Amino acid sequence: DARVTQTPRHKVTEMGQEVTMRCQPILGHNTVFWYRQTMMQGLELLAYFRNRAPLDDSGMPKDRFSAEMPDATLATLKIQPSEPRDSAVYFCASGLAPGDSPLHFGNGTRLTVT
Amino acid sequence: DQQVKQNSPSLSVQEGRISILNCDYTNSMFDYFLWYKKYPAEGPTFLISISSIKDKNEDGRFTVFLNKSAKHLSLHIVPSQPGDSAVYFCAASELTGGGNKLTFGTGTQLKVEL
Repeated sequence: DARVTQTPRHKVTEMGQEVTMRCQPILGHNTVFWYRQTMMQGLELLAYFRNRAPLDDSGMPKDRFSAEMPDATLATLKIQPSEPRDSAVYFCASGLAPGDSPLHFGNGTRLTVT
Repeated sequence: DQQVKQNSPSLSVQEGRISILNCDYTNSMFDYFLWYKKYPAEGPTFLISISSIKDKNEDGRFTVFLNKSAKHLSLHIVPSQPGDSAVYFCAASELTGGGNKLTFGTGTQLKVEL
């Protein structure tokens, strides 16, 4: 059963440190998404790639967040410097576009910034 | 600007009864709607979807209804089971635009009691 894999599952870091979250999308999927789950906003979109090209990163704080896809099997989300307000669960999802097949989510990275 | 809204943060239902979860949207360009289910410490998993050309889609105990004129959809679970206790997210996308980016609501926590 194909799955989206995210690492690490948990990350605790101090304010000001760099954080890197990784995602391995499902093989063959051509779209990759980063979402952040917060209590107030639910699942908010941070970044969106199609065929490894960034299509939408308007939801991301540009000064500290960056998202990349070095190759088709790896997507990364970096925060530098991290702040306590970045504490949340970050989800990666992959899918196939165009078409109506649903997105598949990983189990998330729970980030705590102290 | 919340384009997809789930106004009930929580819902409690007795086992065997019907659960009805509601969702409203504001973007008239949305043409494909999905429900995801999320257990603690896991990623959201796809449950059921509906295209805007339909008004109902059924899959076992789960039925999604779409009222385009009211920009409203609902998820019916009948009969409800304790294992259905989870957070349910409503999501929407613009499929005709060729993309599969999902906009999510804030979620409804369903608790099915014995």
